[in-house]
Amino acid sequence: GAGVSQSPRYKVAKRGQDVALRCDPISGHVSLFWYQQALGQGPEFLTYFQNEAQLDKSGLPSDRFFAERPEGSVSTLKIQRTQQEDSAVYLCASRSRGSGSYEQYFGPGTRLTVT
Amino acid sequence: SQQGEEDPQALSIQEGENATMNCSYKTSINNLQWYRQNSGRGLVHLILIRSNEREKHSGRLRVTLDTSKKSSSLLITASRAADTASYFCAPLSSNYKLTFGKGTLLTVNP
Repeated sequence: GAGVSQSPRYKVAKRGQDVALRCDPISGHVSLFWYQQALGQGPEFLTYFQNEAQLDKSGLPSDRFFAERPEGSVSTLKIQRTQQEDSAVYLCASRSRGSGSYEQYFGPGTRLTVT
Repeated sequence: SQQGEEDPQALSIQEGENATMNCSYKTSINNLQWYRQNSGRGLVHLILIRSNEREKHSGRLRVTLDTSKKSSSLLITASRAADTASYFCAPLSSNYKLTFGKGTLLTVNP
């Protein structure tokens, strides 16, 4: 079946522009996660949704970052007034609800470059 | 923090050799997961070991967990060029938040 998809795959933004990154999780997966991965680092947790509820947004680096999942499926990560330090790969992952299901399935990521 | 820390940072071996990577973490865990990341397939889950398990096998992978030392190891046997990737351990202390370290960059030379 189809995996997690993300769009766009690459995004170049000028400093100060707003961007929106989309994630389509695996159909039926209840949990959705966003991570930020800087060059040479591991992914860092940004936020977690269970269905449409955002249960943890503790990893969002500033109030310029906003995520939503209004219908419990597709999610959008929005970054306002982008800064150079926002340049990174943004990964989305989903997870099923099954008992003992801890494995996360990752999308290919969106590489954001802020110039 | 709960973040896993992998060691070594980089490892270069010949095809056919075994590769061992280590992970340390700081607090109690529910389980610990290993992921692989390469440019071709992105970040992929490899294996999960629960806190009450000491060893687990999956194909050419062997994972150990020592909760008293808060450490884990990943062994890849009979390595192949296609195993070239970054490997991350991710301890799970809650029921959802994975915390990744910087990873071990494994290069398998043909």
